[in-house]
Amino acid sequence: QQQVKQSPQSLIVQKGGISIINCAYENTAFDYFPWYQQFPGKGPALLIAIRPDVSEKKEGRFTISFNKSAKQFSLHIMDSQPGDSATYFCAAKGGGADGLTFGKGTHLIIQP
Amino acid sequence: DTAVSQTPKYLVTQMGNDKSIKCEQNLGHDTMYWYKQDSKKFLKIMFSYNNKELIINETVPNRFSPKSPDKAHLNLHINSLELGDSAVYFCASSKRTSIYNEQFFGPGTRLTVL
Repeated sequence: QQQVKQSPQSLIVQKGGISIINCAYENTAFDYFPWYQQFPGKGPALLIAIRPDVSEKKEGRFTISFNKSAKQFSLHIMDSQPGDSATYFCAAKGGGADGLTFGKGTHLIIQP
Repeated sequence: DTAVSQTPKYLVTQMGNDKSIKCEQNLGHDTMYWYKQDSKKFLKIMFSYNNKELIINETVPNRFSPKSPDKAHLNLHINSLELGDSAVYFCASSKRTSIYNEQFFGPGTRLTVL
């Protein structure tokens, strides 16, 4: 049973374009939704996070959009750069559990 | 000044051996975790540990056991290693009382069982 579904599995975007990664969750007890960025050989690094009491959060070129009724959230990377090429994971936490439930990841490639 | 550190970075061992991975955090966090990342890069929680309260993911074999000598350390012991244990293991930490409870990950330990 996968509680957080992430798509697409891989994504190629031209430099300067918008990268969009989507996630859907099932557990309505989730109350914290972070996105992590992982480069090869490194640990996941927290990028941006949101709680369900807001519908959007923006930090620089990264924006999370959150739709509580649809149980969906997405990451938008504006003006995508080759340095953004990495694997991105959405995650969720809540319901009394401390651990994060991760999506399966999106391998993003930004072509120069 | 590394926030969450793990040793070793690489661990190659034979099936049936017992091994340990060490984790330390200097962030003053009160909760620590172990995650497993398989060959398809799927990340899955194994344990969370807070103030002597251990929460175990029910899918984790009892050959795996976390041990915390103090709040800054959570080591992972693995007995009778199997081929399927080959993966990258990540330690993470967080402060439970923070609003977002952000989790910070270590650099990972790549375990290869031959």
